[in-house]
Amino acid sequence: AQTVTQSQPEMSVQEAETVTLSCTYDTSESDYYLFWYKQPPSRQMILVIRQEAYKQQNATENRFSVNFQKAAKSFSLKISDSQLGDAAMYFCALFSNFGNEKLTFGTGTRLTIIP
Amino acid sequence: DAGVIQSPRHEVTEMGQEVTLRCKPISGHNSLFWYRQTMMRGLELLIYFNNNVPIDDSGMPEDRFSAKMPNASFSTLKIQPSEPRDSAVYFCASRPNRVLKGNEQFFGPGTRLTVL
Repeated sequence: AQTVTQSQPEMSVQEAETVTLSCTYDTSESDYYLFWYKQPPSRQMILVIRQEAYKQQNATENRFSVNFQKAAKSFSLKISDSQLGDAAMYFCALFSNFGNEKLTFGTGTRLTIIP
Repeated sequence: DAGVIQSPRHEVTEMGQEVTLRCKPISGHNSLFWYRQTMMRGLELLIYFNNNVPIDDSGMPEDRFSAKMPNASFSTLKIQPSEPRDSAVYFCASRPNRVLKGNEQFFGPGTRLTVL
C-alpha cells in the first residue's frame, strides 16, 4: 500500500520569506511520480510541481522547488519569496506507474502568509 | 482549453433524495477520476475510468453510490438515497494518456454537496 504523510497541519511565513513544507511517502514501487497540489479558498486543485522518481535533479518551477530524497522517501516543497497569493492548502501526492492508477494524497498543510 | 467542467458547483438536498453530479473531462483525456474531500478523511479516490470503462471502484463507499461514463466526454456520479454523511466536496479529474503525456491529473472546480 502507498502512503503519504504531511506532518505539518499548518505553517505560516512572512511575506517575501522562504518556507519549506514537508512530505514523506512510502511505496514499494521504483517507478513513480510525486506532486505538490495547491488548493486555494476557491477549492480548485492546482498542480504546483511534479517530480519523476527516476530523475535525480530536483524539479523547479519559478519560486517553487523541491528537495527530493529518494532513499529517505522525502519530498519537501520550498516556496521562495512568499506572496499573499500563495496562501492555500498544499497537498503532497504520489502516483505509481504500476498497479492501480490511484493518486494517493497526504492530509495537507495549510499555509498562511503574514503581510 | 476549458478545463474539467463540473456541475452543479453547489447542491443542497434533503436526506433520501437522489443526487447526480456531472463531469465533462478535458477533450482527448483517456482517464477520469472521481474524488471526495472531507475534513475527516481528506481526499479519497472513489472510482476511475480508462477509455470509458470503470477500472477500480473499490473506493465507492457503498451501494448507494454509482458512477457511469457513457462516452468520452461525460461522466456522472449518483447517490441514491443521499444521507447527511455524504456531505462533502466531490472532485472530478481527468488525465491524458499516461504513456504519452505523463501522469498529471487535471481537476475540476468541485461540487460542494450538502445533505440536510
